[in-house]
Amino acid sequence: GQSLEQPSEVTAVEGAIVQINCTYQTSGFYGLSWYQQHDGGAPTFLSYNALDGLEETGRFSSFLSRSDSYGYLLLQELQMKDSASYFCAVKGYGQNFVFGPGTRLSVLP
Amino acid sequence: NAGVTQTPKFQVLKTGQSMTLQCAQDMNHNSMYWYRQDPGMGLRLIYYSASEGTTDKGEVPNGYNVSRLNKREFSLRLESAAPSQTSVYFCASSEGGHLNTEAFFGQGTRLTVV
Repeated sequence: GQSLEQPSEVTAVEGAIVQINCTYQTSGFYGLSWYQQHDGGAPTFLSYNALDGLEETGRFSSFLSRSDSYGYLLLQELQMKDSASYFCAVKGYGQNFVFGPGTRLSVLP
Repeated sequence: NAGVTQTPKFQVLKTGQSMTLQCAQDMNHNSMYWYRQDPGMGLRLIYYSASEGTTDKGEVPNGYNVSRLNKREFSLRLESAAPSQTSVYFCASSEGGHLNTEAFFGQGTRLTVV
């Protein structure tokens, strides 16, 4: 089976940097993805890591350590519009995406 | 491009009624998925179809059936709705294969069973 763990909530102020961690257990692993979901909306793709290391996309970066079964999403220069839920997801050998429980990020002025 | 389209957007059912949630994608994707999301929770996989002609159970398949009608369409059927099936249902699609990295989601169907 597959399971993922994330913190339930994170709070930060505008302009700050925040890191959202994700640990996973899986019987097969191709990569770790991150999705953003605003209240009432659909999840949208942010990033994907198949190999160890850091991937940077604008203000967002994502890191993966396959040996530690661990990854994180780093959000820099936080803006109010970044207030949302963030989900990590594992792509396993079953050809499906298994999602974590989500981290609710609140950005304060 | 419409992407992934789900119908209906909202639905209220009485316990015991049946209904089918429709999903269609126009990205020529091989794989399609149905998830449910309960308040404050993550997405739980109900069923998926890795390719046209195949379907497999996910984490929470009980009470649901699916049909991969063709490459574009993947429907989810509730044969006898129960209050525990009150949830937001998301359909998603992806190219498929181990190199595929991204799932595209529809806007969701908000279902209430009373």
